[in-house]
Amino acid sequence: NAGVTQTPKFQVLKTGQSMTLQCAQDMNHNSMYWYRQDPGMGLRLIYYSASEGTTDKGEVPNGYNVSRLNKREFSLRLESAAPSQTSVYFCASSEVKGRSNEKLFFGSGTQLSVL
Amino acid sequence: AQRVTQPEKLLSVFKGAPVELKCNYSYSGSPELFWYVQYSRQRLQLLLRHISRESIKGFTADLNKGETSFHLKKPFAQEEDSAMYYCALRGYQKVTFGIGTKLQVIP
Repeated sequence: NAGVTQTPKFQVLKTGQSMTLQCAQDMNHNSMYWYRQDPGMGLRLIYYSASEGTTDKGEVPNGYNVSRLNKREFSLRLESAAPSQTSVYFCASSEVKGRSNEKLFFGSGTQLSVL
Repeated sequence: AQRVTQPEKLLSVFKGAPVELKCNYSYSGSPELFWYVQYSRQRLQLLLRHISRESIKGFTADLNKGETSFHLKKPFAQEEDSAMYYCALRGYQKVTFGIGTKLQVIP
């Protein structure tokens, strides 16, 4: 029962470097999300994908891109990292069945520092 | 637009005292509300959802559409309740979280 798996767990980047955060879920969920968690700011939605082949911007998409590679995988890319992107990043997935409100399953997080 | 407001960043209570974590929301449609909890060094996990009208670990939350609130309550706080609590709203396709309230239960 892996659930939602994120890699890497920790990363240090220099300003201007690029990297991709990987996320995969094995629960056959349609919806996947990327959030960032900052002290005093809570969880803010970066991008989400309601289903395979679709992606949409959340609250704070600037500086990020995403790819929903297939139903299992949803990656987050930082093209040119900035110190303001230092944060903890969480991937999550969920299933929405009709009007039933399904819960989010979260990954363990990626702690990213941009120097 | 959908918005979740948690007015308190930190709430400190003594063990055995009642707890109320406040959550207000803004959403034009029919809301689906949740409380998530993050214990130290653990993943975020669902605590409870309004549609289930359940009590988990002694916590309850009632959706008040008139006041657009979904406050989390527990009559007697325990030390193991110390954690970050996030109120969340599922709107069309996406889930929005509040800034979170850190609950500190003092022994």
